[in-house]
Amino acid sequence: QQQVKQSPQSLIVQKGGISIINCAYENTAFDYFPWYQQFPGKGPALLIAIRPDVSEKKEGRFTISFNKSAKQFSLHIMDSQPGDSATYFCAASSPRGSTLGRLYFGRGTQLTVWP
Amino acid sequence: KAGVTQTPRYLIKTRGQQVTLSCSPISGHRSVSWYQQTPGQGLQFLFEYFSETQRNKGNFPGRFSGRQFSNSRSEMNVSTLELGDSALYLCASSPATGGGTEAFFGQGTRLTVV
Repeated sequence: QQQVKQSPQSLIVQKGGISIINCAYENTAFDYFPWYQQFPGKGPALLIAIRPDVSEKKEGRFTISFNKSAKQFSLHIMDSQPGDSATYFCAASSPRGSTLGRLYFGRGTQLTVWP
Repeated sequence: KAGVTQTPRYLIKTRGQQVTLSCSPISGHRSVSWYQQTPGQGLQFLFEYFSETQRNKGNFPGRFSGRQFSNSRSEMNVSTLELGDSALYLCASSPATGGGTEAFFGQGTRLTVV
């Protein structure tokens, strides 16, 4: 059973546009929601993360929006650039204090930004 | 600060063989987790080690095992390799164990089983 569902599977955006990737989760005990960026041949790199006590977090051109009641969160990439072309993964983690320190990943979104 | 180091980067093995992969976490990090990444299944959790103890295990057969040393370095072993074990194996380093902790990945070891 997929604990974190991610959409779309692929996304094509014009340079300067906004890229939006959505994720939904089932387990209300999840307490930490990171996003990872992965380039071909590389491991996933931690991009930005949020905890459910805030509804939005912004770091540069990257923003996470979090809707606790809907059990959804999304990544917005403003002013998308060709260098942002990569695969993006959302994830969810067990609560702080839990001994079960693992991440549940979405299936990934392949983003292509056309110049 | 050096990142997570995984060795080797690439491996080609024959069915039935066994393989050992190595991971050196970020200095000061004591938790190491392993994930398998395939196009079909995505990123799947294998296990987590903290203070030389396995703290958590994913849904993989017993052919997959691991260990952690006193310096936090970790190894993962796969015995009796099958074609379906071909994947990118990723190691993640965290400063602590438990939920809600940041995880930083290495570049992975690409295993091909022929």
